[in-house]
Amino acid sequence: QVQLVESGGGVVQPGRSLRLSCTASGFTFNTYGMHWVRQAPGKGLEWVAVIWYDGSNKYYADSVKGRFTISRDNSKNTLFLQMNSLRAEDTAVYFCARDFAPADESDIWGQGTMVTVSS
Amino acid sequence: SYELTQPPSVSVSPGQTARITCSGDALPKKFAFWYQQQSGQAPVLVIYEDNKRPSGIPERFSGSSSGTMATLTISGAQEEDEADYYCYSTDSSGNHKVFGSGTKVTVL
Repeated sequence: QVQLVESGGGVVQPGRSLRLSCTASGFTFNTYGMHWVRQAPGKGLEWVAVIWYDGSNKYYADSVKGRFTISRDNSKNTLFLQMNSLRAEDTAVYFCARDFAPADESDIWGQGTMVTVSS
Repeated sequence: SYELTQPPSVSVSPGQTARITCSGDALPKKFAFWYQQQSGQAPVLVIYEDNKRPSGIPERFSGSSSGTMATLTISGAQEEDEADYYCYSTDSSGNHKVFGSGTKVTVL
């Protein structure tokens, strides 16, 4: 079964850190770029970061650059998002998503994990 | 930073045609993708590479792109099409992705 499952969300105080994980199954994880996308309550989708299939390149949205780090462990089919210096405005549902694949006309999204930054 | 601009809302009567626009400076050279998001759910891809429809997506969904504007068209809108729609593309470097601001489609 092709799926992505996020974990690691929760309530955290401003200024603290949190690490999200995304476990992939049903496809060849180490051949796809992977993304994190977030959605604040009642707001639109915001792209957060991308990592290439082999981890060689990483790119970030300006809103998280210098605070968040995307990484992956291809031996464990797992994607990570290390979030440091968290702010109230980082409160959102965080989705992991597989890069679009032209060969099968699809991408894959997880169901998301909620992160709440509050004192 | 790069932005994609969409109208906040579009209303359409059942059976009529809804058009959602997405404006961005890099669209003449970068593909547009369109996502549908029902309340509380993960987004679903409905159009890729400007005008291609994934299998399983109804034929009433179509896409086009000209110059700095991409358009999603829902021909013969149905009640189940009521959702938020987002365009998605990249900046001119191709490295930074961006979503449009989103358009709420109401079918009534």
